[in-house]
Amino acid sequence: AQSVTQPDIHITVSEGASLELRCNYSYGATPYLFWYVQSPGQGLQLLLKYFSGDTLVQGIKGFEAEFKRSQSSFNLRKPSVHWSDAAEYFCAVAPRGNFNKFYFGSGTKLNVKP
Amino acid sequence: GAVVSQHPSRVICKSGTSVKIECRSLDFQATTMFWYRQFPKQSLMLMATSNEGSKATYEQGVEKDKFLINHASLTLSTLTVTSAHPEDSSFYICSARVVGNNEQFFGPGTRLTVL
Repeated sequence: AQSVTQPDIHITVSEGASLELRCNYSYGATPYLFWYVQSPGQGLQLLLKYFSGDTLVQGIKGFEAEFKRSQSSFNLRKPSVHWSDAAEYFCAVAPRGNFNKFYFGSGTKLNVKP
Repeated sequence: GAVVSQHPSRVICKSGTSVKIECRSLDFQATTMFWYRQFPKQSLMLMATSNEGSKATYEQGVEKDKFLINHASLTLSTLTVTSAHPEDSSFYICSARVVGNNEQFFGPGTRLTVL
């Protein structure tokens, strides 16, 4: 069965520090991969997505993610975190050719220290 | 663009009553809408998929008579939780998609508390 794992429930980093949020998936074939961010009271906003090609994907707000097939991972990174990045982050996968089936991780809540 | 709204954002009801949650695509026509629920510290779980003018397709384990979905127009889908019980308390999130677009646009969610 397909699953998406975000092993870190909470992460706290200092403003200006680098960030890496982990995501691992279990799926028969390489799925489509997504990262979303959710601020309180807001909908999920797409940060970036990977379908094929270059395994390092650039997204909005200075985020990037790297797909590693051998590790079934799609970790999200940002070189320098801003206080406004404090939010909850969700990794999601969708089977190839089916954007109607999204499977989400349980989320990682990011706190940013001043 | 691509904004999805939900109403209400929070609702508290008594056990046995029914609650309706609305999901609207504000600036685009959504051919497909989705309903998810999220328990604390858990993933968003897909409940059902609905296409405008068609019956919803429910995921395994989701009671279609319990969670009634109506997708009457290209901009509105409603989820009615019938005869709600405390175990139905959860965070319900909708999303919308346009055919040919490889993205789902999410609403802000509705927090349902059943007393």
